Amino acid sequence: GQQVMQIPQYQHVQEGEDFTTYCNSSTTLSNIQWYKQRPGGHPVFLIQLVKSGEVKKQKRLTFQFGEAKKNSSLHITATQTTDVGTYFCAATSGTYKYIFGTGTRLKVLA
Amino acid sequence: SAVISQKPSRDICQRGTSLTIQCQVDSQVTMMFWYRQQPGQSLTLIATANQGSEATYESGFVIDKFPISRPNLTFSTLTVSNMSPEDSSIYLCSVGDLLVDEQFFGPGTRLTVL
Repeated sequence: GQQVMQIPQYQHVQEGEDFTTYCNSSTTLSNIQWYKQRPGGHPVFLIQLVKSGEVKKQKRLTFQFGEAKKNSSLHITATQTTDVGTYFCAATSGTYKYIFGTGTRLKVLA
Repeated sequence: SAVISQKPSRDICQRGTSLTIQCQVDSQVTMMFWYRQQPGQSLTLIATANQGSEATYESGFVIDKFPISRPNLTFSTLTVSNMSPEDSSIYLCSVGDLLVDEQFFGPGTRLTVL
């Protein structure tokens, strides 16, 4: 079945450093979404990417969908302690069901 | 956006018993899903709850173990039957909007099986 891998699994950064997580699929994707889950919380939707090569920005967050629609990345510029949490990508190959990636747990050291 | 509540928020259960988790949404939604998230892990889709018909289960999940009801467009239940310690997990319901294509998650039910 379809698998969605994320790297790295964990990342510790100093506050103010940049952070990037990568999401890779074994199959071509239709859409990809990104979610953030704070410790003890539930996943919260951040963004959806649909088009090949699409880049979207939300303040310090930049999301990119690969040209081949098999990978995606989330980049955070100048991390803050409020960025702490686990970031998941969720991908679909055309159905209404999304497969969640393995997640990247981010810790920001003040 | 949709506001979702789940009951109970947490429970500790004995092996061999069953627990029913409720999911209530503040508006009518087309798609409702049930996920499992084991400690420190990602989310795994258990099934799609269909209004008026049987749920659609993912590979590795069966109706006898995880019966689901969805009597209307705002409510669903997931039962974890004949529990074992391996069922200890967080169970989350989510709703989706076919137009917006965004999922909203409930707060989750943290289940511990002794």
